[in-house]
Amino acid sequence: GAGVSQTPSNKVTEKGKYVELRCDPISGHTALYWYRQSLGQGPEFLIYFQGTGAADDSGLPNDRFFAVRPEGSVSTLKIQRTERGDSAVYLCASSLLSRSNEQFFGPGTRLTVL
Amino acid sequence: AQSVTQPDIHITVSEGASLELRCNYSYGATPYLFWYVQSPGQGLQLLLKYFSGDTLVQGIKGFEAEFKRSQSSFNLRKPSVHWSDAAEYFCAVGANNNNDMRFGAGTRLTVKP
Repeated sequence: GAGVSQTPSNKVTEKGKYVELRCDPISGHTALYWYRQSLGQGPEFLIYFQGTGAADDSGLPNDRFFAVRPEGSVSTLKIQRTERGDSAVYLCASSLLSRSNEQFFGPGTRLTVL
Repeated sequence: AQSVTQPDIHITVSEGASLELRCNYSYGATPYLFWYVQSPGQGLQLLLKYFSGDTLVQGIKGFEAEFKRSQSSFNLRKPSVHWSDAAEYFCAVGANNNNDMRFGAGTRLTVKP
């Protein structure tokens, strides 16, 4: 079976532009997570979905960041008015929601804001 | 909130030598603990996890880790390192039924021939 996929793998944009990053989780995984990994750092939690709803969005840095998962499968992370500080690798993970779940990570999208 | 400290930013070991990567966590209850490995251009791969029970856990690729509550540690070990083990290693602690995971800053492992 396919793992978590993320598109695009690389995205270069200009400051002030809008970007969308897509995540396709493993089929049947009800939980989906977004993380941001800056250079030399570990992944930083952004948001967690259980089904279609955002169960915890406490990691989103500000209101320029938004994520959706309208049908409980694919998710899109949206960043408005991008800033140079948004440059990072954005990771998506999915899991079955069980007590001993494991989060399976995608390869990430490298976002560069010029 | 929980947090993780990985004191070593970069470690170099010779191939065939033993390895220990340190991880200290902060969390008020029994944590869920994980070690992930990230190779260049690859996604994070789970090496092993601790939820409860035996405090010495075995993982993939010959790795093991030991949960020591008294020291708030979850150090990763391997008795004999292979060149293919060169990568970035992340310790993570989860809470709230593992829906809230925090990662350390990572330890980069270099393996000398």
